[in-house]
Amino acid sequence: QKEVEQNSGPLSVPEGAIASLNCTYSDRGSQSFFWYRQYSGKSPELIMSIYSNGDKEDGRFTAQLNKASQYVSLLIRDSQPSDSATYLCAVNMGKSGGSNYKLTFGKGTLLTVNP
Amino acid sequence: GAVVSQHPSRVICKSGTSVKIECRSLDFQATTMFWYRQFPKQSLMLMATSNEGSKATYEQGVEKDKFLINHASLTLSTLTVTSAHPEDSSFYICSARGVGATDTQYFGPGTRLTVL
Repeated sequence: QKEVEQNSGPLSVPEGAIASLNCTYSDRGSQSFFWYRQYSGKSPELIMSIYSNGDKEDGRFTAQLNKASQYVSLLIRDSQPSDSATYLCAVNMGKSGGSNYKLTFGKGTLLTVNP
Repeated sequence: GAVVSQHPSRVICKSGTSVKIECRSLDFQATTMFWYRQFPKQSLMLMATSNEGSKATYEQGVEKDKFLINHASLTLSTLTVTSAHPEDSSFYICSARGVGATDTQYFGPGTRLTVL
């Protein structure tokens, strides 16, 4: 069973702090990794994608990937109350170079940023 | 860029009726569209994958005769919930992947279905 695991939270951080969200996946051959944000009652919106080991930064967001440890994380710097949402980790566990573009989603981590 | 729309955003229907949901990619051509269902406080569940011009591939446990998917063009896919029942009440979300693009999926705003 191919799985993506996330701590369901809730994760509470004060405004201005760094929020750290973690995700592990079971398929060592996975190539593509995504973080989505989902506000209550809304659909997911893409925050970042990452494909190579290391860090990828976009504004206040940094995605970190470690394929050897099968671990991907998302850091949110200077957290704002508007960042309060559920964060979904998604992984493409399809065969490398194949035509399977399905994403496997984790159950999400609820983040609450307190003013 | 990469905008996906869904219509309707909300629908209430009587048990036994059929409901059609449209998913459109507005500013790009979508080779592949995906249909998800999400129950309250649960994660996304992939229902099916559809490629333009071919039959949809359904996930295990999803009834293809109940959830009819058509992907007639590179910008439009439809999901029809046939003979809907209260247990079909859920949040239905589509996503789309662009032609020649990576496996990034862009989501529509979702359709909330309530079956009375």
